[in-house]
Amino acid sequence: DAGVTQSPTHLIKTRGQHVTLRCSPISGHKSVSWYQQVLGQGPQFIFQYYEKEERGRGNFPDRFSARQFPNYSSELNVNALLLGDSALYLCASSLDGVATDTQYFGPGTRLTVL
Amino acid sequence: AQSVTQLGSHVSVSEGALVLLRCNYSSSVPPYLFWYVQYPNQGLQLLLKYTSAATLVKGINGFEAEFKKSETSFHLTKPSAHMSDAAEYFCAVIKAGTALIFGKGTTLSVSS
Repeated sequence: DAGVTQSPTHLIKTRGQHVTLRCSPISGHKSVSWYQQVLGQGPQFIFQYYEKEERGRGNFPDRFSARQFPNYSSELNVNALLLGDSALYLCASSLDGVATDTQYFGPGTRLTVL
Repeated sequence: AQSVTQLGSHVSVSEGALVLLRCNYSSSVPPYLFWYVQYPNQGLQLLLKYTSAATLVKGINGFEAEFKKSETSFHLTKPSAHMSDAAEYFCAVIKAGTALIFGKGTTLSVSS
């Protein structure tokens, strides 16, 4: 079975632009979470979605938004990009989005903001 | 509030030596704890998880971790390091039901 897939792999944007990152979960998984990993740090939680509803939100500004589609894929949108948004953005999927579920991570999207 | 602290940002061992990566947690409720590994330019892979069952948890690739409530620790060990174990290791705790809170990571280097 295919794992979690993310697109694009790499992305270069300039300050002030908008970006959309995409994630397809493992087949049968209904929950998707997004994390930001700045170089040299551990991933930080941004959002979790389950059955198209936002279930959790981390400490990120309103410039960050996300949604989940009926096929359980998800998009992460970031508006008004700042240099500090440069990071690896990771998507994780899990079966039912409960605490004991294993979260399976995709390879990430490397975003560079110039 | 739940959090984890990884002691030592970099650990170096020789091939065949014991691997010990340290993680201490802070939690007001019984925690669910995880160890993930990240190879260069890749996502994270789950090594093992503790979800209130057996305190000694066995994971993939010969790794194991022991949950010690009295020490608030969840250290990761492997009896004999292999060159392929060189990677970044993250300890994590679940917060608010579903969000993983990660430590800053420990880079494991293995020399021949």
